[in-house]
Amino acid sequence: DTGVSQNPRHKITKRGQNVTFRCDPISEHNRLYWYRQTLGQGPEFLTYFQNEAQLEKSRLLSDRFSAERPKGSFSTLEIQRTEQGDSAMYLCASSKSTDTQYFGPGTRLTVL
Amino acid sequence: LAKTTQPISMDSYEGQEVNITCSHNNIATNDYITWYQQFPSQGPRFIIQGYKTKVTNEVASLFIPADRKSSTLSLPRVSLSDTAVYYCLVGASSSGSARQLTFGSGTQLTVLP
Repeated sequence: DTGVSQNPRHKITKRGQNVTFRCDPISEHNRLYWYRQTLGQGPEFLTYFQNEAQLEKSRLLSDRFSAERPKGSFSTLEIQRTEQGDSAMYLCASSKSTDTQYFGPGTRLTVL
Repeated sequence: LAKTTQPISMDSYEGQEVNITCSHNNIATNDYITWYQQFPSQGPRFIIQGYKTKVTNEVASLFIPADRKSSTLSLPRVSLSDTAVYYCLVGASSSGSARQLTFGSGTQLTVLP
């Protein structure tokens, strides 16, 4: 087991472009979480999946954000029409039902 | 979700024991206390979790008084590589519903040579 992986690790895009990030959780973890972290702050919860079902979404997740986990394994987070305020580290975590969340290395997004 | 309060920063020297205290006055009966460590440009790493009294693993100890309104993370004999941000979180650790983690701003620990 190699832990949670995220791709890409870095993404630079121009304002208005769409971006998609991928998260591969630890195998057999049925829960998958997305967080966003800006400089100097702790991670903020965005959304959560149990298997393929998206069960919770933060109010931080605007209409431009969409997340999927179609087969209950990997997940994608898409941001449409990116804005400079979307620049942040996007973190993915996974867990079993015991709730200890294990985080991936994150994808750092820079919107120019 | 219970709010936590931690010192913004702490300095220590190599080889010393470091204790980081977290206040969580509004902790609920079924809330657990969890500590994460985060290095720059990396995701948070789970350190330790506890409910009451004392928990110890190969990395740290967690002390929780009887009223559970605070907790102390103890790092024995720190090294330069322990320089990181440490987050204290409280929340239920039971199955059956999503448990989004609520991070505060954390404590920046700097270990000096």
